[in-house]
Formats: sequence, structure tokens, C-alpha cells
Amino acid sequence: GAGVSQSPSNKVTEKGKDVELRCDPISGHTALYWYRQSLGQGLEFLIYFQGNSAPDKSGLPSDRFSAERTGGSVSTLTIQRTQQEDSAVYLCASTPLIGASQETQYFGPGTRLLVL
Amino acid sequence: GDSVTQMEGPVTLSEEAFLTINCTYTATGYPSLFWYVQYPGEGLQLLLKATKADDKGSNKGFEATYRKETTSFHLEKGSVQVSDSAVYFCALSGPGTDKLIFGTGTRLQVFP
Repeated sequence: GAGVSQSPSNKVTEKGKDVELRCDPISGHTALYWYRQSLGQGLEFLIYFQGNSAPDKSGLPSDRFSAERTGGSVSTLTIQRTQQEDSAVYLCASTPLIGASQETQYFGPGTRLLVL
Repeated sequence: GDSVTQMEGPVTLSEEAFLTINCTYTATGYPSLFWYVQYPGEGLQLLLKATKADDKGSNKGFEATYRKETTSFHLEKGSVQVSDSAVYFCALSGPGTDKLIFGTGTRLQVFP
């Protein structure tokens, strides 16, 4: 079946602009995660959704970052007033179960964001 | 807080050599442990996992054993192939939190 998909695959933007990154999880997966992969920081957790609610937002680096999930499916990560340090690959992952730390997370291909 | 430490890369090996990539962790409670792999140009994918102490995860000839006494989850393969060239990430997920905490990644380069 279809895996996790993300769009766009690449995004170049100017400093100060807003960007929206989209994630379509595997159908039926109830848990959704956002991570960021950057040269300086490695792979970092950003936010986690159970259904449409976000019980853990602890990884969002600033109030310029926000995310939502609708219909228990698609999620959008929004970065306002982008800065050069936001340049990274943004990864989305999903799992079928809620509250199961031993479950495999299935990752999308990522969105590569470059802020000029 | 919880953390994962893995050996720095790159690791450069000849084909058929033995591979070890060290990984140790710090966590409260009993986390689940994972190795994820990122092949060139591809997304992150699970290689193997272990969910309790003394469990051994295995896949594609790779193995790792969950060692609670040494808080380690070292990745091993007896004979690497060129196709194993990739970046390998050790990760944990603690009880009560489902997020993955990753190590910094180790790049493996295998030459024929």
C-alpha cells in the first residue's frame, strides 16, 4: 500500500516568508510525528499527534512553528517568518497505534527546506 | 533527559568485513530500542528493534541485542556488502512517550 507522503519535496524560500509543509500518513494510522533533520542538530523530534490532538509539542523550537492535523489524517507544519537556521529536512512519520512506544514509525521522504 | 550516543563516523570497510556500530543510551524506565537506516537518496526506514532487555533484533544479516546492564544496543553484521553503505541511526522510545530520540547517525561506506 501507499506509504507516508510529504509535499513539497523541496522548498526554497526567502527569509521572513511563511511556509507550509504537508504530510499524508499511511491510511488508518492514528499517530503522526514531525521530526527535523539538520546538519548541526541531527534528527530532532518536533511534535506528535494522537488523532487531531497534539499531546506533545515539546520539540517545537519557537512560537514561529505550529502544526495541525485534521480529520485524523493530513497534517500541516507551518513555519512563520522563516529564518536561515530553519533550513533542514522536515520528516513526517506515522504509526498505527496510540501510546505504543515499541511500535515502528514509518517515515516519509521528507521536505527539504532552504531559507535564503 | 533521555539520550542516545553512537559512535562517530564515517566507518569505512571492505566488502565482507565485520561491522560493529556502538550505541549506548540513557533513559528512565525501560525504553524500546531501534536501529533505523537511511540509504542514499531514500527515506528513513526501520532496520531492527528490540522492546525489552536481552531481546535480539535482527534483519538483513544485521543484529543488535538489548543489554540493560551496559545500557547498550550495538549493531553488528558479520559480512558487509557494498549495498549496506548508508547512514545508521540508533534510537530509543521511552515508556509513556512515543517520540523517537535519535543518536547522531553513523555513516558506513563499504568498498569492493
